[in-house]
Amino acid sequence: EAQVTQNPRYLITVTGKKLTVTCSQNMNHEYMSWYRQDPGLGLRQIYYSMNVEVTDKGDVPEGYKVSRKEKRNFPLILESPSPNQTSLYFCASSLSCIGGDTDTQYFGPGTRLTVL
Amino acid sequence: GEDVEQSLFLSVREGDSSVINCTYTDSSSTYLYWYKQEPGAGLQLLTYIFSNMDMKQDQRLTVLLNKKDKHLSLRIADTQTGDSAIYFCAGTGNTGKLIFGQGTTLQVKP
Repeated sequence: EAQVTQNPRYLITVTGKKLTVTCSQNMNHEYMSWYRQDPGLGLRQIYYSMNVEVTDKGDVPEGYKVSRKEKRNFPLILESPSPNQTSLYFCASSLSCIGGDTDTQYFGPGTRLTVL
Repeated sequence: GEDVEQSLFLSVREGDSSVINCTYTDSSSTYLYWYKQEPGAGLQLLTYIFSNMDMKQDQRLTVLLNKKDKHLSLRIADTQTGDSAIYFCAGTGNTGKLIFGQGTTLQVKP
C-alpha cells in the first residue's frame, strides 16, 4: 500500500530535549516536505527536499533541521525544542514538485508534538 | 508571496449544498487543490483544478475557478454528516510547496 508514515504520532517533551520525528515513504518519491499546522494559520512549510542530499528552507525553518540521506526517509530534527514548536506536524511526498493528477502530494497521518 | 484566504466556519443542514470559498493572491499557481482533514486524521486530497480550467465536477464535488477575481470555490452537493471536517484550499508556490489557506470547518447538522 502506498503510504507516508510518521513516528511518533504523539509526543510530549520538555524544552531543550532534542527529538527527531521520522518520515518514510514507499512510493519512490523524489520530493518530500514537512509542514506544521497551527489553528487559524493552516499549514506552513518548514523544509523541503527535491532529492537525496538536496534540502532547502520553507517558510518557517527556524528551530528545525532535516536530512535526506536516503530517498525514502526525511526526518525532522528539533535540536532544542521550545514551547512555540508545539504543533501538529505533517510530512508529505510526491513524485516531483510539478503538481497535478499524477504528482499529488501524499500526506502522513501527522505527529502531535507538545513541548512543555 | 502567495497568500490564500478562507472563511473559518460554515454550518449547513444535512442534504443541503455547501459552498466553501477561497481567495488567493498569486495567479501563477498551476494547480489549485482542495484537501479534507477529518478529526485526528491527516490530509486527504479531495480534488484539484488546473489553472486553465473554469470548472471541474467530480461526483458530489464541483470546483469553480474565477481567475479574474482569484477566487476558488468547492461545492458539495447533498452534504452528509460524514462531510463534517476541515477543508483546505491550496495553491502551488514555487519550489513545489503547497500554500494553504487557514482551513474552513464545515459543520453538518442532522
